Amino acid sequence: NAGVTQTPKFRILKIGQSMTLQCTQDMNHNYMYWYRQDPGMGLKLIYYSVGAGITDKGEVPNGYNVSRSTTEDFPLRLELAAPSQTSVYFCASRVGGQGNQPQHFGDGTRLSIL
Amino acid sequence: GNSVTQMEGPVTLSEEAFLTINCTYTATGYPSLFWYVQYPGEGLQLLLKATKADDKGSNKGFEATYRKETTSFHLEKGSVQVSDSAVYFCALSDFTGGGNKLTFGTGTQLKVEL
Repeated sequence: NAGVTQTPKFRILKIGQSMTLQCTQDMNHNYMYWYRQDPGMGLKLIYYSVGAGITDKGEVPNGYNVSRSTTEDFPLRLELAAPSQTSVYFCASRVGGQGNQPQHFGDGTRLSIL
Repeated sequence: GNSVTQMEGPVTLSEEAFLTINCTYTATGYPSLFWYVQYPGEGLQLLLKATKADDKGSNKGFEATYRKETTSFHLEKGSVQVSDSAVYFCALSDFTGGGNKLTFGTGTQLKVEL
């Protein structure tokens, strides 16, 4: 009963380094999302995908890239890490169709950039 | 655009007290409304949802009613327990622009003490 799995759980990066946050889901969901959560700010949408090969920008996409080559995987790439990208990152997925279906979240990746 | 406003926390209650967390929203059309809960160190979990006006969502003793006339979706529980300590997020599902994106409030931290 894995659901949405994110790796790593924690990571410390130096300014200018790059890394990929992994997200995989085993529920055959078409829609996948990346959010960042900053203290007192709720969750902000970075990128989303409505199916393999299709991605689109959310509210705060600058400094990030995504790809969706399979239904299961939706990695998030940071090319040049900056202190402003210190945050907790959540991946989520949902079935397609009506908007009343909930999103299912992973446990998050806590990223610090020093 | 869409927005969700929640009462600020932290909210501190004694066990068995009555809980209300206020949530109001601004949206075009007829969004679906959700309450998510986040326990320490974990991702968000769906607590309850409502998909149309006057619907009442309920789960684990929590309830919320979709009030279109007041654009509200307040969360209530008659008797809280220490195990209810968590951060609660109100959210609406955006049907516009594709992707059925969620717009979140900033979250309300609940602390329940013995």
